[in-house]
Amino acid sequence: RKEVEQDPGPFNVPEGATVAFNCTYSNSASQSFFWYRQDCRKEPKLLMSVYSSGNEDGRFTAQLNRASQYISLLIRDSKLSDSATYLCVVSPSGGYNKLIFGAGTRLAVHP
Amino acid sequence: DVKVTQSSRYLVKRTGEKVFLECVQDMDHENMFWYRQDPGLGLRLIYFSYDVKMKEKGDIPEGYSVSREKKERFSLILESASTNQTSMYLCASSLTSFQGGYTFGSGTRLTVV
Repeated sequence: RKEVEQDPGPFNVPEGATVAFNCTYSNSASQSFFWYRQDCRKEPKLLMSVYSSGNEDGRFTAQLNRASQYISLLIRDSKLSDSATYLCVVSPSGGYNKLIFGAGTRLAVHP
Repeated sequence: DVKVTQSSRYLVKRTGEKVFLECVQDMDHENMFWYRQDPGLGLRLIYFSYDVKMKEKGDIPEGYSVSREKKERFSLILESASTNQTSMYLCASSLTSFQGGYTFGSGTRLTVV
């Protein structure tokens, strides 16, 4: 079983739509959680951290459910520029800031 | 802006060659990482280093080695390249104090023929 699992998509949505991605992780001792964004043929970049209390950054909302070991990302009012692959990322216990990446969920926003 | 620079964007090597991938960061980050990214598998950690001359195996270290002689430079070495090492290689660096905040290089697309 993969440590971090995501639906690969693609999710094809019209501009203005709301779209949600989920991700599950297997290590219950995982300490920190993140969403990264990766544009086509580019390197991944940190989108946002995910806190137990949930957090919001503009049109993006991230939630963590430790009991069920899943993380979600909600994008409201989708823009064409949101088209990218979204990587769910987990930091296991043990320090050194080591990260485990999911394979990513591809989002395509169309006019 | 932190910059992580990888020496080559595209590389083609022959089976059996020794291959060096170089990565340099300019912001005094303690931690450096090498990942490979393959379709459907995502990013997989090969090796990482949390200090000069220190290294730790990641999830897929077989066939690779690393070197960190200076804080800013982390090299990945393919001792004898094989076709199954054809992949996108990504280097990243981070501060220990900034959990989750990696800065990635733009990647090296390696093809082994």
